[in-house]
Amino acid sequence: EPEVTQTPSHQVTQMGQEVILRCVPISNHLYFYWYRQILGQKVEFLVSFYNNEISEKSEIFDDQFSVERPDGSNFTLKIRSTKLEDSAMYFCASSESSSADTQYFGPGTRLTVL
Amino acid sequence: QKEVEQNSGPLSVPEGAIASLNCTYSDRGSQSFFWYRQYSGKSPELIMFIYSNGDKEDGRFTAQLNKASQYVSLLIRDSQPSDSATYLCAVIRGGGADGLTFGKGTHLIIQP
Repeated sequence: EPEVTQTPSHQVTQMGQEVILRCVPISNHLYFYWYRQILGQKVEFLVSFYNNEISEKSEIFDDQFSVERPDGSNFTLKIRSTKLEDSAMYFCASSESSSADTQYFGPGTRLTVL
Repeated sequence: QKEVEQNSGPLSVPEGAIASLNCTYSDRGSQSFFWYRQYSGKSPELIMFIYSNGDKEDGRFTAQLNKASQYVSLLIRDSQPSDSATYLCAVIRGGGADGLTFGKGTHLIIQP
């Protein structure tokens, strides 16, 4: 069964450093998403991406964040100048057609900022 | 401000009984409704989705939607210890690429 994959599974970084989280969405899916979940809190939407551009972003997704689809398979989330409060699980998701369609989540990347 | 409310629990149910999980949402424009299951430290896993008012059954799971009351529920019949997890309700307006709005989840414990 096709699945969303994410690398790395755990990333540790120093405050102020840049990190890139990588995702490979399901191959025939057209919509891609990033969510985050701070420990003990709810899953929060960050950004959606369609047709090589951002479709929607939340208040959390400020200038510190960027997304890119550098090739035909990868979808990346870059966090510039990481802060302690960026420590969270970051989930990538994809859906086949519109966002009303089911979104399938990857296993997540645990980001720890020291 | 879109909100999704769930009782955080824990909800404790004996093995073999019916577990009932509830969710309310604030955005009347919401069109699609999802239940995800999340084990500790893992990603959300889709259980069911529902778009229309009424009931939708899939195996041991039944989702119920009442748009007038802005209420979604999930029933789990013949509960098993492996059903012990946090159940996340998520809603979306749809029609574009907007993101899911999640509730905080209900922690369900199935007692053997």
